[in-house]
Amino acid sequence: DAEITQSPRHKITETGRQVTLACHQTWNHNNMFWYRQDLGHGLRLIHYSYGVHDTNKGEVSDGYSVSRSNTEDLPLTLESAASSQTSVYFCASSSLGEQFFGPGTRLTVL
Amino acid sequence: GQQVMQIPQYQHVQEGEDFTTYCNSSTTLSNIQWYKQRPGGHPVFLIQLVKSGEVKKQKRLTFQFGEAKKNSSLHITATQTTDVGTYFCAASKYGNKLVFGAGTILRVKS
Repeated sequence: DAEITQSPRHKITETGRQVTLACHQTWNHNNMFWYRQDLGHGLRLIHYSYGVHDTNKGEVSDGYSVSRSNTEDLPLTLESAASSQTSVYFCASSSLGEQFFGPGTRLTVL
Repeated sequence: GQQVMQIPQYQHVQEGEDFTTYCNSSTTLSNIQWYKQRPGGHPVFLIQLVKSGEVKKQKRLTFQFGEAKKNSSLHITATQTTDVGTYFCAASKYGNKLVFGAGTILRVKS
């Protein structure tokens, strides 16, 4: 069955370190998205991609970057982790309409 | 940027009571989607509404899209403990990018 996976599921890091969160989907979807979820804010879009080599900034993109070298993967990199980036991160993919979400990565920046 | 306001933030009901969450936008929407997130889980797609005034039902859940395509609601009849979770609306003005409401947390007392 097609799926979307994220790794790691939990990560603790220190401020200033570079961190990369992986997202892999086997739906063969062109569209992929990264969100962060914080209490009271719902899901906020960080970056998104509509296809290979396409990346776009979302509403909270500062301090984050993504790259899309193939259809299946959209890794999210925190260039220099900050405590404000402690959050739960969800990756999602879609073809038309409905978005399929991964299980999430809980990131703690100390 | 586009904002979607969702109310209430939190609702605690007795099992068997009804529940409604509302979503409002200041701009006309292309479509609206609803997602459910169980505690500790990831968002799962429930439905998409596209047409002005559209009403869709899924068992005890009724979804409505306003005539002006600026608001939507989700109504649950006779809540059950399995309905516990956070309900999000997600609006699309154009393209495949979604803007999520902050969510309504539903707790059900048995």
